[in-house]
Amino acid sequence: AQSVSQHNHHVILSEAASLELGCNYSYGGTVNLFWYVQYPGQHLQLLLKYFSGDPLVKGIKGFEAEFIKSKFSFNLRKPSVQWSDTAEYFCAVNLSGNTPLVFGKGTRLSVIA
Amino acid sequence: EAEVAQSPRYKITEKSQAVAFWCDPISGHATLYWYRQILGQGPELLVQFQDESVVDDSQLPKDRFSAERLKGVDSTLKIQPAELGDSAMYLCASTLSYQPQETQYFGPGTRLLVL
Repeated sequence: AQSVSQHNHHVILSEAASLELGCNYSYGGTVNLFWYVQYPGQHLQLLLKYFSGDPLVKGIKGFEAEFIKSKFSFNLRKPSVQWSDTAEYFCAVNLSGNTPLVFGKGTRLSVIA
Repeated sequence: EAEVAQSPRYKITEKSQAVAFWCDPISGHATLYWYRQILGQGPELLVQFQDESVVDDSQLPKDRFSAERLKGVDSTLKIQPAELGDSAMYLCASTLSYQPQETQYFGPGTRLLVL
């Protein structure tokens, strides 16, 4: 069965620390990759996505992710986190046909001053 | 900025009762999704509509769940009878079209507690 794995359940960082959240998927074929974020009290919203072209994708608020096809990975990075980045982050994957978007279990990020 | 609307925001019900959730997608969005999110998990697709037609309901427990989008605009998800294990957040999302690369826009969700 198709699956998406997020390695970290809860990450705690100090402000200005660098962030990397792991995401691996178990699909063959052409994939579309997404990172969604849910800030406290807000809706799920798109952070960034990849479906073709440059495997290094830049999103909102200084986030980026790199698609490494050989590793089936799409890790999320930010060089310096802020307190306002405290949120839950979800990686999601679908195939290029009309297949459902499959989400990982999410990683909760807490940024402390 | 246009948003996906959902109501109610919270629902408490007793098991064996019927519950219904409503979703109004962003205007002009042809594709509508209902997800269930259990605490500590990511959202899982229950049903996908393209206009008024069901495209995917393979994960919908059809013995108790039903969904409709009669005019291809707003949608209702119903559970009858509710069971304790149905306690979860029910999310609605919409996209302009059914293209898999499209960004899904999510509503605030309905949190259901079944007692």
